[in-house]
Amino acid sequence: NAGVTQTPKFQVLKTGQSMTLQCAQDMNHEYMSWYRQDPGMGLRLIHYSVGAGITDQGEVPNGYNVSRSTTEDFPLRLLSAAPSQTSVYFCASSGGMLLYEQYFGPGTRLTVT
Amino acid sequence: DQQVKQNSPSLSVQEGRISILNCDYTNSMFDYFLWYKKYPAEGPTFLISISSIKDKNEDGRFTVFLNKSAKHLSLHIVPSQPGDSAVYFCAASPKDDAGNMLTFGGGTRLMVKP
Repeated sequence: NAGVTQTPKFQVLKTGQSMTLQCAQDMNHEYMSWYRQDPGMGLRLIHYSVGAGITDQGEVPNGYNVSRSTTEDFPLRLLSAAPSQTSVYFCASSGGMLLYEQYFGPGTRLTVT
Repeated sequence: DQQVKQNSPSLSVQEGRISILNCDYTNSMFDYFLWYKKYPAEGPTFLISISSIKDKNEDGRFTVFLNKSAKHLSLHIVPSQPGDSAVYFCAASPKDDAGNMLTFGGGTRLMVKP
């Protein structure tokens, strides 16, 4: 049982490039979320999904796209990277009786130059 | 405007003493509150939670207190251990939400000195 996995661990992009951050969970959780962590800002919600085929925007969605074609996977796409998207990105999932208690992946550290 | 605030960016405590981490919120719709612990280069891990119908929840060395009228919660760690050194985030979720819409505070770095 791997929990929540994220790839890659580190990534450097040039401004304007696009990429996809991968997230997968093996706990059969219906809920999945993407957060970014910036110094002093805590974690801010980017997008979330309450089940396969259903996604919605969080607090800071601009510049990011998501899709949820399966229960297990929830990729985050950066359409045209900007230096303001330099951050650490965390994927999380929750489900069953403990919906509020989200399980987080180890994070992806992204630098945009 | 941050709806969840942790006003102390850092806290240093001696091993064996009590650590008290504080969190304030402004949104009266928040109904469920959680504390997460984060070590460097790892994702946050769930620590303890409390529903707004309670004012206290205990789990071993960790106790969370909720004062709804003051919109304030605190995490007490007794006794503190060096392994508790980490960044602690409080988070809140509104009533009737599925649990996805967690709003986090900025975090408090706890250092427990041997």
